[in-house]
Amino acid sequence: DTGVSQDPRHKITKRGQNVTFRCDPISEHNRLYWYRQTLGQGPEFLTYFQNEAQLEKSRLLSDRFSAERPKGSFSTLEIQRTEQGDSAMYLCASSPRPLNTEAFFGQGTRLTVV
Amino acid sequence: ELKVEQNPLFLSMQEGKNYTIYCNYSTTSDRLYWYRQDPGKSLESLFVLLSNGAVKQEGRLMASLDTKARLSTLHITAAVHDLSATYFCAVPLDSNYQLIWGAGTKLIIKP
Repeated sequence: DTGVSQDPRHKITKRGQNVTFRCDPISEHNRLYWYRQTLGQGPEFLTYFQNEAQLEKSRLLSDRFSAERPKGSFSTLEIQRTEQGDSAMYLCASSPRPLNTEAFFGQGTRLTVV
Repeated sequence: ELKVEQNPLFLSMQEGKNYTIYCNYSTTSDRLYWYRQDPGKSLESLFVLLSNGAVKQEGRLMASLDTKARLSTLHITAAVHDLSATYFCAVPLDSNYQLIWGAGTKLIIKP
């Protein structure tokens, strides 16, 4: 396993279109996180999963954002009706038990909304 | 609301010099994480600090945590060009690993 994998790496979309990003965590990592990072800022927490359960989603930026992890393995983040303000890097991370370990981040998906 | 502040936000220095990056946070936490990010790349974990007084060192980087002062430092010794990157500290909001991040310190080391 070479680490957390995200696809696509880059996405350009027109305003109003829907986009979906995929994240494959490190095998056997039961926790998976989504973050958004804009230029010059630190990552902003969006949501996380423990196995297939989405345990925190209140920080998803709006109801246009949704995430799934149907079988407790890969996850998808969907943004509906994209807006220019959604342009950012979307990062996925995973971590194993116990909690006192760091999370491992993927390369990210850079979204540009035109 | 938990806030994490780093300073400086930008640092340009010569090779061979020493410097310290500071990370302050606003509520109690017994854990703190340091990450490195190269331009256009993802985040690489540097240190996990798990208790008051924790000190960890890796090469020319040393991190420490003072939970009473709500302060962590990342010290760079005899800087080399390869350490040029943006360094982030992050503090967990709760036990479920919801991290709150500083804005990052962009470090440029001139050869």
